[in-house]
Amino acid sequence: QVQLVQSGAEMKKPGSSVKVSCKASGGPFNTYAINWVRQAPGQGLEWMGGIIPIFGTADYAQKFQGRVTITMDESTRTAHMELSSLRSDDTAVYYCARGGYVWGSSRSTYYYFDFWGQGTLVRVSS
Amino acid sequence: EIALTQSPGTLSLSPGERAALSCRASQSVNSNYLAWYQHKPGQAPRLLIFGTSNRATGIPDRFSGSGSGTDFTLTISRLEPEDFAVYYCQLYGRSLTFGGGTKVDIK
Repeated sequence: QVQLVQSGAEMKKPGSSVKVSCKASGGPFNTYAINWVRQAPGQGLEWMGGIIPIFGTADYAQKFQGRVTITMDESTRTAHMELSSLRSDDTAVYYCARGGYVWGSSRSTYYYFDFWGQGTLVRVSS
Repeated sequence: EIALTQSPGTLSLSPGERAALSCRASQSVNSNYLAWYQHKPGQAPRLLIFGTSNRATGIPDRFSGSGSGTDFTLTISRLEPEDFAVYYCQLYGRSLTFGGGTKVDIK
């Protein structure tokens, strides 16, 4: 059974960075993309970006471009999402999710998400 | 960028009733790239439907999806107690975006 297990809750100050991890187990790894989705309090779901493990290439939603970095450690099957210059409105639950993809040299195409992590609460407050 | 608008915002129904949730795209989209998720508080979202009408593994057949062009619908034929949740549509492929969600709550 595929499992995505995320790191624990974080409390951060405005202007700092946070790094959330997502460890995959129980299924094929390199044939899927790992995506990051967040949900702010009272808001809907928002895709932040994704990474293709086999190529190590990441793509980002325009809103987060320049502020988010998604990386992958294939040896431990762990994806990481780092968000910098944190603001109070970055307070949210952050999810990783597995999905299909079609690789592109300039930008990959990401598909629906069939397995999700349990979510990581990141609170940003002074 | 294509926007997805879900309606109604909240649907108040009783167990056993039929639910029809709407997802409207700001422009015509490829129906191969429309998915639906169920999200309960404190849990991860769960994939219900992909490609407009294909049920994901383990999803009961009371859940069905339909639509084309700009208008898509998730139908729950008879609501079970565990179906009260928030539902999101998602466009994937060249654009990747979620609708704002429809909350199905108990009347």
